Amino acid sequence: TQLLEQSPQFLSIQEGENLTVYCNSSSVFSSLQWYRQEPGEGPVLLVTVVTGGEVKKLKRLTFQFGDARKDSSLHITAAQPGDTGLYLCAALSSGSARQLTFGSGTQLTVLP
Amino acid sequence: GAGVSQSPRYKVAKRGQDVALRCDPISGHVSLFWYQQALGQGPEFLTYFQNEAQLDKSGLPSDRFFAERPEGSVSTLKIQRTQQEDSAVYLCASSLEWGHFSGNTIYFGEGSWLTVV
Repeated sequence: TQLLEQSPQFLSIQEGENLTVYCNSSSVFSSLQWYRQEPGEGPVLLVTVVTGGEVKKLKRLTFQFGDARKDSSLHITAAQPGDTGLYLCAALSSGSARQLTFGSGTQLTVLP
Repeated sequence: GAGVSQSPRYKVAKRGQDVALRCDPISGHVSLFWYQQALGQGPEFLTYFQNEAQLDKSGLPSDRFFAERPEGSVSTLKIQRTQQEDSAVYLCASSLEWGHFSGNTIYFGEGSWLTVV
């Protein structure tokens, strides 16, 4: 079983601040995805990173995949209350095309 | 509908009762997944269907859990003799093509919240 560790588990910040959350594992992944889940909803895909060292930007969100494809980070610039939610990383192993393994998530609260 | 639809949204079951959770995937989606999400945790894989074939059920926690997708569209997750540890959100997801791979977006439903008392 591949374990994905996310940190921090909880993060509460003021509107306008920057933040970074992390997703780490000892396993190598063929790709990694980030999702955001709001209360009472299912996870929604934000991005997929595939290549080691890859950086993708989605408005104020910047996603990076580690060179060794074992870790990833999500950086949010000038956070807004609408960014509040549970951020989940999820990985596909190189051996399985069916099972997506999720981390335990980072619960982000952005205070106005 | 436009998205993955799940019912019921909320279910309270007495311990020992059987429950059935329904998932309507996006029309035409080949792949269907069930996940279990405990409070404060990420989703955990339960089972996977490609059309009507259940190709992976390695995540089902016990033989009390059973899933089917007889006509390759709607799926039902059944839990027999529910226990308190079964309390969780059960998420259904679908995708257009086979399996999980980087170019294949997975769409999740809102989940069925099960509380066993």
